[in-house]
Amino acid sequence: EADIYQTPRYLVIGTGKKITLECSQTMGHDKMYWYQQDPGMELHLIHYSYGVNSTEKGDLSSESTVSRIRTEHFPLTLESARPSHTSQYLCASSPLGPNTEAFFGQGTRLTVV
Amino acid sequence: GNSVTQMEGPVTLSEEAFLTINCTYTATGYPSLFWYVQYPGEGLQLLLKATKADDKGSNKGFEATYRKETTSFHLEKGSVQVSDSAVYFCALSDQTSGTYKYIFGTGTRLKVLA
Repeated sequence: EADIYQTPRYLVIGTGKKITLECSQTMGHDKMYWYQQDPGMELHLIHYSYGVNSTEKGDLSSESTVSRIRTEHFPLTLESARPSHTSQYLCASSPLGPNTEAFFGQGTRLTVV
Repeated sequence: GNSVTQMEGPVTLSEEAFLTINCTYTATGYPSLFWYVQYPGEGLQLLLKATKADDKGSNKGFEATYRKETTSFHLEKGSVQVSDSAVYFCALSDQTSGTYKYIFGTGTRLKVLA
């Protein structure tokens, strides 16, 4: 069973607030990812990491930032939330190497009002 | 670049009907292929995978065969249940650049009626 956790599950916050979405995994995976999922269901990779102190921007430009200070923790931060940031955010992790699957958290549904 | 194309939904079926969701891919080299399922309000769960040509992945009555000649990985189930109602994503692992990023299709929503 996958052990990757996201908090909070749901968040409603006002415009201009700073927020951090938490993601933790207990599987010792080196690779971690953040996806943004729009209402049309499509997944967009916004950040990924290959290990501690490694972070890369994904295929979709995002105003969010990430950090990877510990292997198990990959938080995503929005310095100033806007209504356009309203979305579902999914965190995932996977082992290094080929032929391995990604394990997903349950997601955080963010609403900025 | 690498990409995944899957049939658009929604797909609506009666219980016990046969299911096919088409998925084709474009990739250099030999990607691994996956099907994920997403239930309402949840993250994605791995349904099955195949790592080389002619491999068949299977789980919970679902099957998909890695067809390199047609670059396809179609998902099938012989008899769907109401509990199979969900969104299904086809994906590949991009292994050409060593980054091993995952590329997802746009998802196909399945609704099974009792």
